[in-house]
Amino acid sequence: NAGVTQTPKFQVLKTGQSMTLQCAQDMNHNSMYWYRQDPGMGLRLIYYSASEGTTDKGEVPNGYNVSRLNKREFSLRLESAAPSQTSVYFCASTGPGGVYEQYFGPGTRLTVT
Amino acid sequence: GDSVTQMEGPVTLSEEAFLTINCTYTATGYPSLFWYVQYPGEGLQLLLKATKADDKGSNKGFEATYRKETTSFHLEKGSVQVSDSAVYFCALSDSGTGRRALTFGSGTRLQVQP
Repeated sequence: NAGVTQTPKFQVLKTGQSMTLQCAQDMNHNSMYWYRQDPGMGLRLIYYSASEGTTDKGEVPNGYNVSRLNKREFSLRLESAAPSQTSVYFCASTGPGGVYEQYFGPGTRLTVT
Repeated sequence: GDSVTQMEGPVTLSEEAFLTINCTYTATGYPSLFWYVQYPGEGLQLLLKATKADDKGSNKGFEATYRKETTSFHLEKGSVQVSDSAVYFCALSDSGTGRRALTFGSGTRLQVQP
């Protein structure tokens, strides 16, 4: 049981380049999330997917798009990277029930120059 | 909207000292409360949780009690170890929007010296 996996672990992009961050979970969870972590700001929600086939914006969605490919996979795409998107990106998932306990992947450290 | 406020770090302690990291929250409903820990270079791991008022979450010697009257969920440990050095995040579950997401505090870095 791998839990939540993310690829790549590290990435350097030039301004204007595009890339997709991949996330997969093997816990049969319905809900999946993308957060970004910046120093002194905790984690902020970018997008989430309550279930397969649905996605919704979080607090900071500008400059990002997402795809819930199937129940296991939830990808985050940067169409035209900007230096302000330099951050650590975490994917998370949560199962059914009312507690909302989330399980996190190891993160992707992205630098945009 | 919902929010979480944590004490600023870093918190520097000697091994075997008593730890308190303060956390207060604002929420319109009845959220569940969590403490997550992040070790260097890793993702967040759930440390403990509490789902209703007066519940005490505990794990690995850490404890926190859900205090609705003071809207607080302070993290405590009686005797810290060097291996406890990490960043600690207080979080609450989304109340009422249906997102099932978490709102995080800004994190508190703990450094334990031998």
